[in-house]
Amino acid sequence: GEEVAQTPKHLVRGEGQKAKLYCAPIKGHSYVFWYQQVLKNEFKFLISFQNENVFDETGMPKERFSAKCLPNSPCSLEIQATKLEDSAVYFCASSQFRKAYEQYFGPGTRLTVT
Amino acid sequence: AQTVTQSQPEMSVQEAETVTLSCTYDTSENNYYLFWYKQPPSRQMILVIRQEAYKQQNATENRFSVNFQKAAKSFSLKISDSQLGDTAMYFCAFTPPGAQKLVFGQGTRLTINP
Repeated sequence: GEEVAQTPKHLVRGEGQKAKLYCAPIKGHSYVFWYQQVLKNEFKFLISFQNENVFDETGMPKERFSAKCLPNSPCSLEIQATKLEDSAVYFCASSQFRKAYEQYFGPGTRLTVT
Repeated sequence: AQTVTQSQPEMSVQEAETVTLSCTYDTSENNYYLFWYKQPPSRQMILVIRQEAYKQQNATENRFSVNFQKAAKSFSLKISDSQLGDTAMYFCAFTPPGAQKLVFGQGTRLTINP
């Protein structure tokens, strides 16, 4: 597609439940990025992929967060045992090979943990 | 650590006025990219303007221009003839070379008053 698609738009989970977010990058883009924007508007980089391979996962809280980009499937970001502080908007972005400076953002998924 | 600082949490101007948003960054790299993103209430991230560090000429996009001072590590955004639709959060961002991720500032909430 011509736009980065993210589903669902909103997600509500009780504390301790699992949350799974999806991202379909723009067709032909080989890089995918996940960012977390907390309610104070701060952005935090979580993880990036080059095709199905993890490129940089330095921002991932590894004990509860995991992510995948498999061929012919949307990329996913999964949070096991959600905590209140996971409430945020999660953005996915994609870019062409060797053009990581030109990232196109999806509309975001708002996760609310109650 | 590479950081981006936006020292103005909020700004407010009248329609048609010119406004300048400040951004400073810290890096030891010589080549990198700098960006200004606009985030309206819809939360969609919109790229406003991009500057390549090796280019001395300041980038411009219609009413938006930057003042890039590489030695001072400063990257301000000037919005001329401001319009009501410019009301949004504005984020300054930086891409370290090879890092394939964006580092964001804290954001400036800009309000254009009629």
